[in-house]
Amino acid sequence: ETGVTQTPRHLVMGMTNKKSLKCEQHLGHNAMYWYKQSAKKPLELMFVYSLEERVENNSVPSRFSPECPNSSHLFLHLHTLQPEDSALYLCASSQDITGVVGEQFFGPGTRLTVL
Amino acid sequence: QKEVEQDPGPLSVPEGAIVSLNCTYSNSAFQYFMWYRQYSRKGPELLMYTYSSGNKEDGRFTAQVDKSSKYISLFIRDSQPSDSATYLCAMVLAQGGSEKLVFGKGTKLTVNP
Repeated sequence: ETGVTQTPRHLVMGMTNKKSLKCEQHLGHNAMYWYKQSAKKPLELMFVYSLEERVENNSVPSRFSPECPNSSHLFLHLHTLQPEDSALYLCASSQDITGVVGEQFFGPGTRLTVL
Repeated sequence: QKEVEQDPGPLSVPEGAIVSLNCTYSNSAFQYFMWYRQYSRKGPELLMYTYSSGNKEDGRFTAQVDKSSKYISLFIRDSQPSDSATYLCAMVLAQGGSEKLVFGKGTKLTVNP
């Protein structure tokens, strides 16, 4: 595998379920990100990790819980979601959080549907 | 006022047309300007970036920045069906020791054979 991979690619869950999204980067990067992409809206940055330490949390509801066990893996744990949380969740990585003209490498995303 | 404004389209053009995609922004602190391309069922990928006013060319693509007007453009010459994708502008803001990407909504482009 190369680049940034995400699993699962599609997920349908009920509002009472608990599920997790997984992201893995094979680029040797130090920073990882979770974004939410909804129709007709800009990409929304959710969380930023640098060397496994969370450096940014953009007022994301607590029903989204990130975890970064090492610099190659990033998880997004989901519980008691709402239908408006249905979106494409994108993971990205970059060499660092600064000094690289912002190039981030994105995974293909997980299409989440909350019923 | 949103930080970055981008018309979501959709935009449909015939093959061979010149395509112009645009974004405006309000924050003069943005330092770098980028264009990402996102194919259906894929994540965005960096297409071009620039940090100064003026033009930057890469093959059929030209990125243009006008900092005085807070306006950026992406031109695609001799457009091909393979250019059909959503194009997102993004701007880099340095704050608190890190860089933050602020995206536009994206413009969906279809190039018809």
